[in-house]
Order: sequence, then C-alpha cells, then structure tokens
Amino acid sequence: GAGVSQSPRYKVTKRGQDVALRCDPISGHVSLYWYRQALGQGPEFLTYFNYEAQQDKSGLPNDRFSAERPEGSISTLTIQRTEQRDSAMYRCASSLGGGGMGRAFFGQGTRLTVV
Amino acid sequence: GIQVEQSPPDLILQEGANSTLRCNFSDSVNNLQWFHQNPWGQLINLFYIPSGTKQNGRLSATTVATERYSLLYISSSQTTDSGVYFCAVEDNAGNMLTFGGGTRLMVKP
Repeated sequence: GAGVSQSPRYKVTKRGQDVALRCDPISGHVSLYWYRQALGQGPEFLTYFNYEAQQDKSGLPNDRFSAERPEGSISTLTIQRTEQRDSAMYRCASSLGGGGMGRAFFGQGTRLTVV
Repeated sequence: GIQVEQSPPDLILQEGANSTLRCNFSDSVNNLQWFHQNPWGQLINLFYIPSGTKQNGRLSATTVATERYSLLYISSSQTTDSGVYFCAVEDNAGNMLTFGGGTRLMVKP
C-alpha cells in the first residue's frame, strides 16, 4: 500500500483479555518494527523483523508479548492477559532495510486502553 | 544503550518566528532521523540525516556526527507546525531507532 497501515486504530479491552494488533507495511519494505509509546514520551522499541525472521525481541517487556510476521509482510503483535499498564499507543514502522535500517515510516498507531 | 537528549522540552512561538531544536546523542550513530508527531498523533518522517545538511521547505536539519548532535531549524513557523518533534538515532550495534524525549512545540496565531 501507499503507507503503513495499522488496525484497529483504537482498542478498548478488559483486563485479562488477549489482543492482537495488526500492521501492514509499505509494499517491498524488508524491515518491520514495533514500538510502544506512553503518553508524553518518545516511542520505545519492542521488536523487529527482516522479512519473516524476528531479528531482535529484546524490547518486549515480558512473555505476554509476542509478534509474528509469517509471510514477510503483515505482522501481528499479540498481548496476552492484558494488564492496565499495557495501555499505550502501539506503533509499527517499516523501512527498506538491507544493511542498516534506512528511512523509517510509521503507521497511525493503535491506541490500546485496558480497563 | 545510546542516550538521546532533546532540548528544549517545550517551546511556544508566535506565528512567523524561527526556532532551533537540538538533539544530542551519546555515541556514534549509523543514522539520525527527525519526526513530527502532529496533534492527531501521526508520526511523520521529516529528515533522514546521518550527517550534513538537508532542507525541505521551511524546515532544515544539520547533523554533526563527529560532535554527536543534530539541529532542526523551523523558519517562519505556522500553527500547523505545532506538535512534538522527535529525534531518533540508529546506533552501530543494532537496526533499531532510539528516540529522544521530544520537543513539544506550540505555535500561536
């Protein structure tokens, strides 16, 4: 597509429920990144993929968080047994990759609220 | 990991004024990017600038990698420039961006 697309834009869920956040990167972009942004702060790295391979997941806060990109295009970030502290803006970015990150383009984000 | 600091944290301008935003980083970097988070929350890539100077309309950016800083210049500011400006760097160790805390800009009409 023309830009990075994330869905849903807004998600309200009850504590303890699982949520799945979707990211559709720019066509042809090799690298895909997930970030989390708390209110009033800069985005913080969660994980990234080159093609379908998860290269780094050091930013995932705990084992309730997981991500996949099975066909090297669309990615899903899953949060199991959500907690109120998981409430944040979740952002996805993609870049051409291929030796260094390259210029990153972000989607509009998913605002997650856990009640 | 690499530390990224931005200044000032907050800035209020009258429409038409010029401003300079600064980004300092603690180690050598592969690249540096500037982003604008608009009031609707969208994060827009303004510049990919590992070194040197680039200009795009009323905005320009300069990175002096050897001295570990970058500057974003906004000239003749407009109300639509309001939002948060983030600097982000990719260090030599990995392929991800580390963001600074941002500069919150409000341009008043």
